[in-house]
Amino acid sequence: GENVEQHPSTLSVQEGDSAVIKCTYSDSASNYFPWYKQELGKRPQLIIDIRSNVGEKKDQRIAVTLNKTAKHFSLHITETQPEDSAVYFCAATPSNSGYALNFGKGTSLLVTP
Amino acid sequence: SAVISQKPSRDICQRGTSLTIQCQVDSQVTMMFWYRQQPGQSLTLIATANQGSEATYESGFVIDKFPISRPNLTFSTLTVSNMSPEDSSIYLCSVVQGKTEAFFGQGTRLTVV
Repeated sequence: GENVEQHPSTLSVQEGDSAVIKCTYSDSASNYFPWYKQELGKRPQLIIDIRSNVGEKKDQRIAVTLNKTAKHFSLHITETQPEDSAVYFCAATPSNSGYALNFGKGTSLLVTP
Repeated sequence: SAVISQKPSRDICQRGTSLTIQCQVDSQVTMMFWYRQQPGQSLTLIATANQGSEATYESGFVIDKFPISRPNLTFSTLTVSNMSPEDSSIYLCSVVQGKTEAFFGQGTRLTVV
């Protein structure tokens, strides 16, 4: 089955700096890669996703890049704010699984003022 | 986006007993899944809840321990049977509509004593 590795496990940045989280996956059939943000005690919320026919996607301060050849994808957050502090999870899935997600272990991001 | 109501939000249960968690969606959805999130860890897929047929379980999860029902396109239940302290986790249902993102319920925080 799919194995998703995520790094780093913790990340601390100064407000205004950029944060980058990287994930690798093992199943070449995976073609959907979402990123979820989970604040303490709350449900995971989708922040951005990318499909295998696209190399990069941006949404305001958030961007995701995908390298299918190398089987890795990354989350980029620019101009970080304290409200970005949370745990971020990457995931991967083949579309024929109906969005049954295989998650990375998560990155705890702390943005300090 | 789908509105998901998951009940109960939390419970404290005696070992050896069973707990049934309900997931109700405000509209028909294509897919429903159940995940487990152990304290401080990532989400692990338990099973895909199939409408009108037996659930599809992931490696390490069995029907006798986690029986699942999905009688229609808006409702599913997960039962955690013969509980032990190791079952203490957050259990989340997830739904997908068509080819959109996966949404999560708010989770059920289970503590087994």
